[in-house]
Amino acid sequence: EVQLVESGGGLVQPGGSLRLSCAASGFTFSIYGMNWVRQAPGKGLEWVSYISTSGSTIYSADSVKGRFTFSRDNAKNSLYLQMNSLRAEDTAVYYCAREDYASGSFFDYWGQGTLVTVSS
Amino acid sequence: EIVLTQSPATLSLSPGERATLSCRASQSVSSYLAWYQQKPGQAPRLLIYDASNRATGLPARFSGSGSGTDFTLTISSLEPEDFAVYYCQQRSNWPRITFGGGTKVEIK
Repeated sequence: EVQLVESGGGLVQPGGSLRLSCAASGFTFSIYGMNWVRQAPGKGLEWVSYISTSGSTIYSADSVKGRFTFSRDNAKNSLYLQMNSLRAEDTAVYYCAREDYASGSFFDYWGQGTLVTVSS
Repeated sequence: EIVLTQSPATLSLSPGERATLSCRASQSVSSYLAWYQQKPGQAPRLLIYDASNRATGLPARFSGSGSGTDFTLTISSLEPEDFAVYYCQQRSNWPRITFGGGTKVEIK
């Protein structure tokens, strides 16, 4: 069974940092591109970033560029999101999502999400 | 950035009725469009990809159509578990993926 489990969310002050993890199981993690998508409370979905199978290619939304960094460890079947210089508008549930070529490269599996709250 | 506009924002229907949801793109996305369903407290679930292909295990009452700038998700006969929020997503100008604002299908 495919599973994606995010962790690391919590309450952080503006300007602070947080590192999210996404643990993958039930599939060959190393052959899938992965994404982060976030959802502010009561709002819609916002794509945050894409990381290629090897981690050598990374794209991110302008809203997080220069503040968030993305990485993966295929040996540990894990995806990471390092968030620095956090702002109130970064408050959201952060989901990791698998990009599946067989499903048109759309997101066929998602984690349950982890809530990040940026507040003083 | 390609903007996706979903309408209506809220659809109030009864079980057994037909639901028709719209997603309009600010420029052509060809057929690179997906639909997701999200229930409260849950992650989104992929329903339709490439405008009209059903995801694995999706009931046949869900169908997608359209190309270019106008797309439709149709639920032929609403089941109680179908009341949720639905989002469209484009990947035409990948990696600049964008989502629509969502349509909430609620029980009338």
